[in-house]
Amino acid sequence: ILNVEQSPQSLHVQEGDSTNFTCSFPSSNFYALHWYRWETAKSPEALFVMTLNGDEKKKGRISATLNTKEGYSYLYIKGSQPEDSATYLCAFRRQLTFGSGTQLTVLP
Amino acid sequence: SAVISQKPSRDICQRGTSLTIQCQVDSQVTMMFWYRQQPGQSLTLIATANQGSEATYESGFVIDKFPISRPNLTFSTLTVSNMSPEDSSIYLCSVGGMDTEAFFGQGTRLTVV
Repeated sequence: ILNVEQSPQSLHVQEGDSTNFTCSFPSSNFYALHWYRWETAKSPEALFVMTLNGDEKKKGRISATLNTKEGYSYLYIKGSQPEDSATYLCAFRRQLTFGSGTQLTVLP
Repeated sequence: SAVISQKPSRDICQRGTSLTIQCQVDSQVTMMFWYRQQPGQSLTLIATANQGSEATYESGFVIDKFPISRPNLTFSTLTVSNMSPEDSSIYLCSVGGMDTEAFFGQGTRLTVV
């Protein structure tokens, strides 16, 4: 059984704040780490697929880093906006095993 | 990329009944995946649907409870059989996610009363 853990479980931030959350996963037999954003009543949407230790990817105000040796990835959001409010999921390995997500609420 | 149309988007069902969820993909794909998210839990893979062969079920999921059809390379159905309140979940179909990003349907929010 693979354990993919995300923290925190939920987070409230003020508009304009920067924030980050963590995904931890088994460091052995690493294949890939995915990040998804899931807004209510919509499909989960891919943010990043990360495969290399030390990878850092960026999409607008959102970025992610990957450490495969210690088994963690960070997702950063700079200058949070209300439209960033969603559940952020990470998923591990070739057959995706998901964490339980971080529910982010950005308060105007 | 892939666009997946999933329906119904939500339903409220009586216990003991069955619900069939449909997913239509805009391109041919070898494998389609069915997930469930129970309240407060992570997305959990139910099974992988392959065209031309029986679906492959994950531990804890059985064909009698979650029969799957895959009649062609663009369509699949998942049936939730003999439902109980514990089956209340969001069900998602998906393609990709092996070497590249996964694409998901809009989800089916099921409530069993």
